[in-house]
Amino acid sequence: AQKITQTQPGMFVQEKEAVTLDCTYDTSDPSYGLFWYKQPSSGEMIFLIYQGSYDQQNATEGRYSLNFQKARKSANLVISASQLGDSAMYFCAMSRIQGAQKLVFGQGTRLTINP
Amino acid sequence: SAVISQKPSRDICQRGTSLTIQCQVDSQVTMMFWYRQQPGQSLTLIATANQGSEATYESGFVIDKFPISRPNLTFSTLTVSNMSPEDSSIYLCSVVVGQGLDYGYTFGSGTRLTVV
Repeated sequence: AQKITQTQPGMFVQEKEAVTLDCTYDTSDPSYGLFWYKQPSSGEMIFLIYQGSYDQQNATEGRYSLNFQKARKSANLVISASQLGDSAMYFCAMSRIQGAQKLVFGQGTRLTINP
Repeated sequence: SAVISQKPSRDICQRGTSLTIQCQVDSQVTMMFWYRQQPGQSLTLIATANQGSEATYESGFVIDKFPISRPNLTFSTLTVSNMSPEDSSIYLCSVVVGQGLDYGYTFGSGTRLTVV
């Protein structure tokens, strides 16, 4: 079974600062994918970044980067130069790459950016 | 990537009634997933719907309460039956896009359900 743990229920950060959102995972699958999603108050799920377990390099997408440490089973999201519009819920999720590809989500972190 | 149209976006329903949520995808997809997000909580998978077969339900969810239809590769419905206030949640559908190592997920915009 797969499990995602996000230990930070809430984070408060000053605008323009960098922020790291923690995510650890547990799985027995040899190949898996790790995802981060942003959910604003509207409820939609916005894809941010993806990291495959086979990737040697950390994924980056604009201001988002994923600090992937496979041995520690962690996949932390780093947001550089935070903006007021980054205030939202953030979910870490994982899935198997082969077979039933359901996404398993962590508990989420509510990020608040202060001006 | 795929685009999903999910309806309704929100509804307020009386307890004891049923609501059917629809998701229409702009391309053919094999698997469609239905999630529930209770207030202040994370997303929990209700079931996986494959075209032409019975949906596979996760532990704690039963077909009588959440019947799912998957008549073709672009459409699915989830019904929330005999609703109670505890069913007040956001319901989201999702599909896998891509294949092999190059894959991802697209979500519908969600249905915000309030049961009174």
